[in-house]
Amino acid sequence: AQKITQTQPGMFVQEKEAVTLDCTYDTSDQSYGLFWYKQPSSGEMIFLIYQGSYDEQNATEGRYSLNFQKARKSANLVISASQLGDSAMYFCAMRDGVGYNQGGKLIFGQGTELSVKP
Amino acid sequence: EAGVTQFPSHSVIEKGQTVTLRCDPISGHDNLYWYRRVMGKEIKFLLHFVKESKQDESGMPNNRFLAERTGGTYSTLKVQPAELEDSGVYFCASSQAFLGGNTEAFFGQGTRLTVV
Repeated sequence: AQKITQTQPGMFVQEKEAVTLDCTYDTSDQSYGLFWYKQPSSGEMIFLIYQGSYDEQNATEGRYSLNFQKARKSANLVISASQLGDSAMYFCAMRDGVGYNQGGKLIFGQGTELSVKP
Repeated sequence: EAGVTQFPSHSVIEKGQTVTLRCDPISGHDNLYWYRRVMGKEIKFLLHFVKESKQDESGMPNNRFLAERTGGTYSTLKVQPAELEDSGVYFCASSQAFLGGNTEAFFGQGTRLTVV
């Protein structure tokens, strides 16, 4: 069965420093997608970044980058130059099924609470 | 363009009562998903609609939960009768039809349900 594991319940980082949030996954599928979402205290889920299993380069979106190590089955999120507004819960997720409307549900990890200190 | 909208944002009900949550997906999105996060635990998938059809309802916890998506537009999730363990945040998400994996699911702000 597919599974996402986030081993860091909480993390602290100093403002303007970089931080890495860990995510490992388990799947027997060859084709899959990995996502990171941010959930601030207001509650909404904000999409941050996506990595496809066949993508050879690590995904980047502004200050977010995904350190994808396929052999290790890890998809860590790196946030550079942390800002106070980055304080939030971060979820790693895997898409189950990539065919046309064959699936698409997301399997989430437990989340990591990131606190940015001024 | 409006995002995914959920009503109500908060609901407090007594055990045994009925509650209906509503989700309005982004216009044109065929896929609609319901998820739930119980306090302190991971977000769990409940079910997936493709237009008005239930594609996957493997995550529905029991028959007290009923989801509908009449006409393939908005969806409702009814809990009847509600139990204490149903408390949590219920999220709705929608996405376009996709051929590959890189299709972002847009989430609503969630409905915080408290059963007392």
